[in-house]
Amino acid sequence: AQKITQTQPGMFVQEKEAVTLDCTYDTSDPSYGLFWYKQPSSGEMIFLIYQGSYDQQNATEGRYSLNFQKARKSANLVISASQLGDSAMYFCAMREGWGNTPLVFGKGTRLSVIA
Amino acid sequence: GAVVSQHPSRVICKSGTSVKIECRSLDFQATTMFWYRQFPKQSLMLMATSNEGSKATYEQGVEKDKFLINHASLTLSTLTVTSAHPEDSSFYICSARRGEVANYGYTFGSGTRLTVV
Repeated sequence: AQKITQTQPGMFVQEKEAVTLDCTYDTSDPSYGLFWYKQPSSGEMIFLIYQGSYDQQNATEGRYSLNFQKARKSANLVISASQLGDSAMYFCAMREGWGNTPLVFGKGTRLSVIA
Repeated sequence: GAVVSQHPSRVICKSGTSVKIECRSLDFQATTMFWYRQFPKQSLMLMATSNEGSKATYEQGVEKDKFLINHASLTLSTLTVTSAHPEDSSFYICSARRGEVANYGYTFGSGTRLTVV
C-alpha cells in the first residue's frame, strides 16, 4: 500500500488565488513527520513546510500552510496568493518514527499558475 | 546552513562505463545520507541509505553491485553507477538530515542528471 497518496497529477490556479494540494498518508507509527517540497524544472528540492504528528496546531510558513487532519490522515498544502513562480512540482513526503529514517514521497502534483 | 553539495550536476557517459556522483555536507556532519532516483515525471524513489563507516542499506530491487555507495567520512558520500546502461539514465539526488530532532528538515543536493548513450 502506498504510504503517501497525492491524487492530483496536475492543478491550475489563477495568479493571486489560493490553491490546495491534497495529500493523504498511511502509517501505524504514532510518531511521524510530514513534509512538503517544491521541485522546479531545475530539479532541486525546496523544503516548504513541516508538520509533526504531535503538533497541535497547523504549520504555517509565509504563504504556505498545512491543513493537518490527523483522524483523516491528511496533510493538505495550502498556497495563498499564488505567484507565477509557484509553478512547479509539489511533493508530499513522510518520515516514520524518530531518528534518521528516509523520507517517502508521493507521486507529486504539478501546479501551474496562470496569469 | 545545512547545505549539501552534489557533483556533477550533469553527466553524459558511454554505455559500459562507470560514473561517480559525490555528495558533500558543507556545514554539518551527515552520519546518514539517502540516495534517490527520479525518472522523468515521476516521484523520488529511495535507492539506499548510506551510513558513515558501514555498508549501505539498499532498497528492494536496487542492485548493490551496480550502484556502489561509499560513505567514508561524515561529510562525503559517493554513488558509483557501474557499467552504466541507457536504462540507468535518470536524475539522482542525495539527501541528508542535519540532526535527529524531529523538525529538522532533510537537505537535498541539487541532483545529478545522468544520460547514458
